[in-house]
Amino acid sequence: GENVEQHPSTLSVQEGDSAVIKCTYSDSASNYFPWYKQELGKRPQLIIDIRSNVGEKKDQRIAVTLNKTAKHFSLHITETQPEDSAVYFCAASSNNDMRFGAGTRLTVKP
Amino acid sequence: DAGITQSPRHKVTETGTPVTLRCHQTENHRYMYWYRQDPGHGLRLIHYSYGVKDTDKGEVSDGYSVSRSKTEDFLLTLESATSSQTSVYFCATQRDRDEKLFFGSGTQLSVL
Repeated sequence: GENVEQHPSTLSVQEGDSAVIKCTYSDSASNYFPWYKQELGKRPQLIIDIRSNVGEKKDQRIAVTLNKTAKHFSLHITETQPEDSAVYFCAASSNNDMRFGAGTRLTVKP
Repeated sequence: DAGITQSPRHKVTETGTPVTLRCHQTENHRYMYWYRQDPGHGLRLIHYSYGVKDTDKGEVSDGYSVSRSKTEDFLLTLESATSSQTSVYFCATQRDRDEKLFFGSGTQLSVL
């Protein structure tokens, strides 16, 4: 089955700086790559996703890039704010089997 | 969020007892999932369903069974709970393949 690795496990940045989280996957058949944000005690919620026929997608301060050849994808958050502090999960989906990375705890210091 | 209700929200049980968690959705989504969340492991897929009476195993299915007799309900059963099954359990639904997941609020299960 699919295996998703996520780095780093923790990330601390100063407010206004950029944050980058990277994921790799193993199954070349994976074709859907979502990113979820989970605040403390809450459910995970989708923040952005990308499909295998697209190399980059942007939504305001958030962008995701995908390199299918290298089997890796990344989340970029620019101009970070304290409310961006949360755990972020990447995922890769193949044949409806969606596997998640272990998560990155992002802390944005004011 | 899609109308997803998990019950119970919290449960404490003893080793060896059976436990059933319920997920109810009002969105008529075809696909439903059960994940467990543990520190350092992210979300791990237990079982999923792609229609009424159609289910399949995920990566951590040992010790768990599921049933889906109606589109709106997906039950997760721990046949004989063990302490290693102490976790937060999330149900999720999906309208179609390779689309976003909608998560329920989670069930905190403690097995003593």
